[in-house]
Amino acid sequence: AQTVTQSQPEMSVQEAETVTLSCTYDTSESDYYLFWYKQPPSRQMILVIRQEAYKQQNATENRFSVNFQKAAKSFSLKISDSQLGDAAMYFCAFATSYNTDKLIFGTGTRLQVFP
Amino acid sequence: GAVVSQHPSWVICKSGTSVKIECRSLDFQATTMFWYRQFPKQSLMLMATSNEGSKATYEQGVEKDKFLINHASLTLSTLTVTSAHPEDSSFYICSARAVGTYNEQFFGPGTRLTVL
Repeated sequence: AQTVTQSQPEMSVQEAETVTLSCTYDTSESDYYLFWYKQPPSRQMILVIRQEAYKQQNATENRFSVNFQKAAKSFSLKISDSQLGDAAMYFCAFATSYNTDKLIFGTGTRLQVFP
Repeated sequence: GAVVSQHPSWVICKSGTSVKIECRSLDFQATTMFWYRQFPKQSLMLMATSNEGSKATYEQGVEKDKFLINHASLTLSTLTVTSAHPEDSSFYICSARAVGTYNEQFFGPGTRLTVL
């Protein structure tokens, strides 16, 4: 069975600074997808970034980037130049390549951004 | 694009009654919709996957007779919580996958159900 662990229940960062959210996962599969989702106070989940396990290059979306370490089964999210609007719950998620419909979520990290 | 709505956004009901929650894809057709449950300060747990025109597939431990799912069209799926009890109080979130796409789900804003 696959599991996703987010060991940081809460994190805080000052505006314009950089913060890294941690995520580890456990799987015996070699081909899979990893995701970071943002859940703002409005509660609507938004996809932040996606990584295919077969790609060695780390995914990047504007101020958001990941550090994907396949051997260590680690998938951290780096937010650069943090903005007040980045404050939200962030969930790491996993899906196998043969069942991309079934997302397995971590327990989330609440990010606070201070001015 | 890719907007998913849910109705109602919150509902309070008496124990023993049934509640229907709608999930709509507003600007795309969704062959597959998903229903999640999120307890306070916890993660999302997939309850079931519904495909248009066929029966839903429930995750292990989810009572299919209690959580009735209907996906009658490419833009609408409904979740009915039958004979609701206080322990069914939770945040229910749907998501939809667009026709022709894979591995990206678009999420609705969720419905908070409180059973008294």
